[in-house]
Amino acid sequence: AQTVTQSQPEMSVQEAETVTLSCTYDTSESDYYLFWYKQPPSRQMILVIRQEAYKQQNATENRFSVNFQKAAKSFSLKISDSQLGDAAMYFCAPYGNSGNTPLVFGKGTRLSVIA
Amino acid sequence: SQTIHQWPATLVQPVGSPLSLECTVEGTSNPNLYWYRQAAGRGLQLLFYSVGIGQISSEVPQNLSASRPQDRQFILSSKKLLLSDSGFYLCAWDIQGARVGYTFGSGTRLTVV
Repeated sequence: AQTVTQSQPEMSVQEAETVTLSCTYDTSESDYYLFWYKQPPSRQMILVIRQEAYKQQNATENRFSVNFQKAAKSFSLKISDSQLGDAAMYFCAPYGNSGNTPLVFGKGTRLSVIA
Repeated sequence: SQTIHQWPATLVQPVGSPLSLECTVEGTSNPNLYWYRQAAGRGLQLLFYSVGIGQISSEVPQNLSASRPQDRQFILSSKKLLLSDSGFYLCAWDIQGARVGYTFGSGTRLTVV
C-alpha cells in the first residue's frame, strides 16, 4: 500500500524566485519510483520529473529538481526561476516497481506565481 | 507515436440518467488503463484500472462501473447518475514495466444536475 502527504495546500512565489513543494510518502515496496505531476488550469496532467528510489542522485529537469531523502521518505520539488506558466496544482506520487499498485496521488499543492 | 483520446470533454447530465465516458489509446498494445476522478480543487481518486481485456479492478465501489471491450478501449459507465458523481474524470495509460509514469487524457468535466 502507498500513502502520500502533501502538507501545503497552497503556496505562492514571486516570479523569478525559488519555491519548494513538500511531499512525504509511505510504501510497502522495496523498490519504487517517485513522480511529480503538474496540472495547469487546463487540467491536463503533465509529468514534471521522475526519481528512481535506488538512485542517490537527485533528479533534475531544467528548472525543476527534487530533494529525495529516502530514509525520511521525503520527496520535495524545487522550482527555480519561477515563471507565470508554473502556476498549477502539483501532485506527488510514488510507484512501486512491482507494478501491482496503481499510482496514488497526494491531495496536491496549488502554486500561485506572482508577477 | 502514442496518443490517448478521451471524450466527451464536457457533459451535463440530469440525476438518474445513464453515463458513458470513453477512452482510447493509439500507438501501443496491451496498455494498463486507469480511470481517476477529481473533485473540484482536490486530489485524484483512483476509480478503476485494467491490465488487460476484460480485467477490471475496482478501487471505489459505487454506482460506477468500467469495461474494457477492446485492448485499447476503456469505458466508464453508470446506470443512474447521482449528484455526487459530478467531477473531472481522467483516463490514463502506461505499459507494464515501463516505469515512466502515466500519460493522461485531457479529461471529461461531468456536471450532474
